[in-house]
Amino acid sequence: SQKIEQNSEALNIQEGKTATLTCNYTNYSPAYLQWYRQDPGRGPVFLLLIRENEKEKRKERLKVTFDTTLKQSLFHITASQPADSATYLCALDIGYGNKLVFGAGTILRVKS
Amino acid sequence: DAEITQSPRHKITETGRQVTLACHQTWNHNNMFWYRQDLGHGLRLIHYSYGVQDTNKGEVSDGYSVSRSNTEDLPLTLESAASSQTSVYFCASSESSGNTIYFGEGSWLTVV
Repeated sequence: SQKIEQNSEALNIQEGKTATLTCNYTNYSPAYLQWYRQDPGRGPVFLLLIRENEKEKRKERLKVTFDTTLKQSLFHITASQPADSATYLCALDIGYGNKLVFGAGTILRVKS
Repeated sequence: DAEITQSPRHKITETGRQVTLACHQTWNHNNMFWYRQDLGHGLRLIHYSYGVQDTNKGEVSDGYSVSRSNTEDLPLTLESAASSQTSVYFCASSESSGNTIYFGEGSWLTVV
């Protein structure tokens, strides 16, 4: 069956450290993979998109890697801050027209 | 600024009633989506549309319908609300595949 898995446990890290979140998938061949941030009571907000032929993408303190052989994406936040605390969602774009399949999300807590 | 708005933001309804959740976007995007979000399941696609008069079923479409009579709006109707449809509903839109998807702030629906 098709599945997307993110760290099921919340990730607690100290301010200033690098947070690394994992997204693994099976039985999909996504053209794109996207990461979103979601704060409590709010809608998801787009962060980064990486294409199947790209290995790595960066935006400010954020970095995403995409390994289609391992079927895995890693999402890194460097120099993390308490304001980075949120739920981070991984989503696979599985076909024409931005049809996204989402993971359940990982809660990140950054402590000062 | 262009935006995507949902209404109502919160609603309590009774089992068996028809409910319509409104979604309006001002970006003139062709693609619009409805997702529901439940604890442990992440976001699941209900229906989507690639343009006026186009509607398609997603992963969890039973008990829901949508219509697209113009570019800006994609209302979601629950024909006969059931307790299993208690959830948070998110509308989203995008210009085309591989582009940013913008989410609304969500509609909290409780069916009693």
